Amino acid sequence: GAVVSQHPSWVICKSGTSVKIECRSLDFQATTMFWYRQFPKQSLMLMATSNEGSKATYEQGVEKDKFLINHASLTLSTLTVTSAHPEDSSFYICSALTSGGASTDTQYFGPGTRLTVL
Amino acid sequence: RKEVEQDPGPFNVPEGATVAFNCTYSNSASQSFFWYRQDCRKEPKLLMSVYSSGNEDGRFTAQLNRASQYISLLIRDSKLSDSATYLCVVTGTGRRALTFGSGTRLQVQP
Repeated sequence: GAVVSQHPSWVICKSGTSVKIECRSLDFQATTMFWYRQFPKQSLMLMATSNEGSKATYEQGVEKDKFLINHASLTLSTLTVTSAHPEDSSFYICSALTSGGASTDTQYFGPGTRLTVL
Repeated sequence: RKEVEQDPGPFNVPEGATVAFNCTYSNSASQSFFWYRQDCRKEPKLLMSVYSSGNEDGRFTAQLNRASQYISLLIRDSKLSDSATYLCVVTGTGRRALTFGSGTRLQVQP
């Protein structure tokens, strides 16, 4: 099946620093990628929809100036957590959408990035 | 009210048992339905799609009741390797992002 990678798989940083997470579709082109966040013992929550060549669409309550998304190519989307704080510590997961028409779209998830902000 | 609601469990069952999970969703316009499995500290993996006619994949049977906005997953002959969190997932009209339930944790014991 299709493969999606994320880098880094985990990161520990000091409060106030910025962290960039990469999401790559390795063997297919993805015009749409999604970024989710999962806090311990909670569900995955959609943060934003990343569309290649256009601005990301953010979910209500997600600050677009804090979580910068860039989808510059058909195989790469990046999420930058700017000025990270301890409350941003979470499991960040991306998914990439194959395009087979709406009824056959399939999402493939990356392995996730565990962010810990000290 | 949450868009997708699940009993968090945990469900502790012996090997070989049959276990059923239920899920309700609030948006009657939801179009696609899935069960995902998530192991601890890992990404979710698609277990199966769910159709109104019901579908079966080996020991797993999924059912959708659109009138009641209810989805179920039945696991027969539970294995130790089935221990995981099972996520009920729906998509909305024209929206391809997934809405996840908070998951039901299953622990299969020897």
